[in-house]
Amino acid sequence: QQQVKQSPQSLIVQKGGISIINCAYENTAFDYFPWYQQFPGKGPALLIAIRPDVSEKKEGRFTISFNKSAKQFSLHIMDSQPGDSATYFCAASNTGGFKTIFGAGTRLFVKA
Amino acid sequence: ETGVTQTPRHLVMGMTNKKSLKCEQHLGHNAMYWYKQSAKKPLELMFVYSLEERVENNSVPSRFSPECPNSSHLFLHLHTLQPEDSALYLCASSQTRWRGGDNEQFFGPGTRLTVL
Repeated sequence: QQQVKQSPQSLIVQKGGISIINCAYENTAFDYFPWYQQFPGKGPALLIAIRPDVSEKKEGRFTISFNKSAKQFSLHIMDSQPGDSATYFCAASNTGGFKTIFGAGTRLFVKA
Repeated sequence: ETGVTQTPRHLVMGMTNKKSLKCEQHLGHNAMYWYKQSAKKPLELMFVYSLEERVENNSVPSRFSPECPNSSHLFLHLHTLQPEDSALYLCASSQTRWRGGDNEQFFGPGTRLTVL
């Protein structure tokens, strides 16, 4: 019940294309769903986050789509760039507590 | 210094050594975390401290011993580790919701640990 399942494990996209990463959760107590971006040699950094009271959140080229009934959420990267090549982690937490549960990560490579 | 800093960045140790990892956060947060990151596995939460008190301990072997002397500093003391403990150890901090935050995790760059 505490798991967050993330797919795909790796993704190759052409420059200018759309990158899509999907996550699913089980615990309905989760109320905060962040996405983190990690470059080699660095710690993960918050990219964008959403709460279940909205179905979509957009920040620049990054959009989270959230489906509360299906308990799924996804990250869309529009006009993908080589600089977006990194590992992306979805996560879920109950902000009343301390635990954040992370997905296994998706390694994105954007071809120039 | 800003954000979350970790030292050392790289550490190689034998199975009989004792070493410590250090983390410092400059964000005024009230919670600090240790995570283990292994290849192709989700981030594993090891320990959580809130206001210097341990509030979470996820069945971590006793060869890992955390210490939180104040709200800005966190240590992870290591002794008699095993080769399978080789991983990237990440420290994070957050401002919890009951302290006006979102519990967003701010991560340090990590310590790459290799156990021979």
